[in-house]
Amino acid sequence: SQQGEEDPQALSIQEGENATMNCSYKTSINNLQWYRQNSGRGLVHLILIRSNEREKHSGRLRVTLDTSKKSSSLLITASRAADTASYFCAPTGNQFYFGTGTSLTVIP
Amino acid sequence: GAGVSQSPSNKVTEKGKDVELRCDPISGHTALYWYRQSLGQGLEFLIYFQGNSAPDKSGLPSDRFSAERTGGSVSTLTIQRTQQEDSAVYLCASSLDLGEYSPLHFGNGTRLTVT
Repeated sequence: SQQGEEDPQALSIQEGENATMNCSYKTSINNLQWYRQNSGRGLVHLILIRSNEREKHSGRLRVTLDTSKKSSSLLITASRAADTASYFCAPTGNQFYFGTGTSLTVIP
Repeated sequence: GAGVSQSPSNKVTEKGKDVELRCDPISGHTALYWYRQSLGQGLEFLIYFQGNSAPDKSGLPSDRFSAERTGGSVSTLTIQRTQQEDSAVYLCASSLDLGEYSPLHFGNGTRLTVT
């Protein structure tokens, strides 16, 4: 399947630090999406990067994509306590498969 | 506008009973997805609909699970003869179309507890 696998499984940082999480996948993709899930809520779409893009920015988010290595990274700069959540990647062909996510804790 | 709505938000049922979970997608969204998330786990893909049609039902965990969508809108996920291992959060999502460039919009899920 096109399931992504996020790494690390858990990450704890101080407010103001940067957080980096990675995603690896196995099949060819057309795009890759990142989602955030706050505790007890559904997932929220953050950003989409197309297979012909290498980097994309959205506010404090920076996403990179390396299709030769079948990997992507999500960088959150100047983290805030409100960024505490689980983050999932979804490499997409025509369906959406999610991994187990990275649980990020930002300590105030 | 309104987002994806799921009901009930919580459901406690006894083992062996049937349950129905409901999903109201965003108006105009033709694609609808069901996922299951066990405690602290990732999302397990169950089924998707394009309009009222579900082309691939192979993600459903067993024949106790079924789903339907009527009028291209509301969807119900039915679990018959519930088992304790069915306890999880069931998430529904919709997207404008089935195209991979249409992000998913999720509801807040139904937390099912089978006692």
